[in-house]
Amino acid sequence: QSALTQPPSASGSPGQSVTISCTGTSSDVGGYNYVSWYQQHPGKVPKLMIYEVSKRPSGVPDRFSGSKSGNTASLAVSGLQAEDEAVYYCSSYAGSKTYVFGTGTKVTVL
Amino acid sequence: QVQLQESGPGLVKPSQTLSLTCTVSGDSISSGSYYWTWIRQPAGEGLEWIGRISNSGNTNYNPSLKSRVTISVDTSKNQFSLKLSSMTAADTAVYYCARQGKDIGAADIRAGAFDIWGQGTMVTVS
Repeated sequence: QSALTQPPSASGSPGQSVTISCTGTSSDVGGYNYVSWYQQHPGKVPKLMIYEVSKRPSGVPDRFSGSKSGNTASLAVSGLQAEDEAVYYCSSYAGSKTYVFGTGTKVTVL
Repeated sequence: QVQLQESGPGLVKPSQTLSLTCTVSGDSISSGSYYWTWIRQPAGEGLEWIGRISNSGNTNYNPSLKSRVTISVDTSKNQFSLKLSSMTAADTAVYYCARQGKDIGAADIRAGAFDIWGQGTMVTVS
């Protein structure tokens, strides 16, 4: 069970968009729709942003959206705001009733 | 408002067993709609799923930790617990408990997602 691969960093100016990828295999991301995304500010608890690939919990701005194609899931953040600067983690069901997280992507708002 | 709170020692000696408890308030572990999960995060590193337990006591563990992990539940106290044996410096991390939705076809359950987290407790092995 290997961690899902995310780019270490991504950045964008306020108002711009940024997209983060989360690459796995057909045994995890590609095989199931249990992909979720978490936002973690420094020293804080992770917060659920997207679940079941593209669903948003209540209270999460619609600037955040999720998608999946093959073995890669993506989180898009449009209209970047200063408070979006954080580390983002993906997670996926990995079969055999286990779960795996991504390596994390630090998003910087320039 | 659902809240989870971890408790346990912040310092464990090498080779000893870590014991942590997560107390759930605002929801009943017995409800059957959720799994109750442990996740850890070494300082400056990513998240690692440790394992989970259902209200009926069914457990699932990370294969890399399976030989050392035991998760149990006490529905009478609305708590679940983690034991991790043979601790080493590599187990130093913040340990989180979290609620994970089951896929039961309910619109208000976020299937597969860790939707409520505890504040985390720092555990140092030294």
